[in-house]
Formats: sequence, C-alpha cells, structure tokens
Amino acid sequence: EVQLVESGGGLVQPGRSLRLSCAASGFTFDDYAMHWVRQVPGKGLDWVAGISWNSQSIGYAGAVKGRFTISRDNVNFSLHLEMNSLRPEDTGFYYCAKDMASSPHYSDSNINYWGRGVLVTVS
Amino acid sequence: DIQLTQSPSFLSASVGDRVTITCRASQDISNFLAWYQQKPGKAPKALMYASSTLQSGVPSRFSGSGSGTEFTLTINSLQPEDFATYYCQQVNTYPLTFGGGTKVEIK
Repeated sequence: EVQLVESGGGLVQPGRSLRLSCAASGFTFDDYAMHWVRQVPGKGLDWVAGISWNSQSIGYAGAVKGRFTISRDNVNFSLHLEMNSLRPEDTGFYYCAKDMASSPHYSDSNINYWGRGVLVTVS
Repeated sequence: DIQLTQSPSFLSASVGDRVTITCRASQDISNFLAWYQQKPGKAPKALMYASSTLQSGVPSRFSGSGSGTEFTLTINSLQPEDFATYYCQQVNTYPLTFGGGTKVEIK
C-alpha cells in the first residue's frame, strides 16, 4: 500500500523558514516523480513544486520560486520542501504527492497518490 | 505561465444527469492534461490523464476529451458519490498549474 506521510508543519512567523518532509513507502520511490501541492481550506489546489525521479527536472510555482527548494533522497525514500522567507499567503495544507510518471512532463504525468497533508500557518 | 480556466465554476445537477465540465488552456498543451475529483476534507483523487485515459478503478461513466487548448470532462448518469469538486491540471510546462475547480452540487 502506498503511503505518504508528511511532517514538519506548524506555526511560523513571516520571514522565517520551515522544512517539510515526506516519508514514502509501498512503492519503488526512485521510479517516480514527486510533487508538493498546497491548498488553503475551502480554496482550490495550488501546485508548489515538482521533481523528477533522478532530480534532473525540477520546477516551481512562480509564487515560491527563489524561496522554496524541493529535494528528494532516493536512499531514504523521502521528499523535502525547504521553505524560506515565508509569507502569510504561504499558509495552507501542504500535500506530498506521487506522480504516475517518472518525470512531471510526460503526457501520462498525473498525481495518483496523495498524503494526508500537513498544515503550515504563517502568522 | 499557462492559465487553465474551468467552466462552469459551479453547477447544480440531479442524479442521472449528464454533466460536462470544460477546461481551457491559455496556450497549446497537446494532451498533457489530468483531471481530479476532490470531496470535502479529503485529498484529491486522480480520474484521468493524457486528456482521455481513465485512471485504474475509475468508473466508465467518466470520460475525457480534447487536445490543444480545449478539454472536457463528462460524467454520464451522475451518481450520488460524484457530487464533489473537479480540477484540471496541465503537465505540459513548468510551472504545472491547476484550474480553479468546478463544484458539482445536488439540485
């Protein structure tokens, strides 16, 4: 069974940093691209960042580019999101998500598994 | 960035109805489009990828079509469990983007 378990969320002041982690199990982690997606309760989905299986293809939403860094550890089956210079508008639930493809840019790319999410509050 | 515009943003329908949701891209994305369903308090569920390929386990009453800039998600014979919010996502170009969502409610 695929499991994605996020950790590292919490309350942080504007301008500070936070590091989210996601422990993955139940699948061959280094075969698939991974993503972070956030959602403010009651609002829509907001793609934050994605990384290919070998970390060679990485992309960010414009609102976080230069402040957030996505990385993965294929030895320890984990995904990370380093968030710096946090702003109140970064508040929301952050989901760790597994792609069906090895890279986020293939035509069959889509998120087929989601974690339960972790809440980040910037205030 | 590629913008995805979903319409309508809200629709009211009855069990048994046929429902169509449109997703328009601000530039050509070929067939690099996925659809998701989200229910309140739950993580999204993948429905479709490559515009028209059904995810494993998704009922055949769901179908997708389109290429380029215009895409549709159709639900034939709406069931009670289909009342939810639906999102499209383009995976053609970074940054990947989601549409604003379409909430399907019971009439």
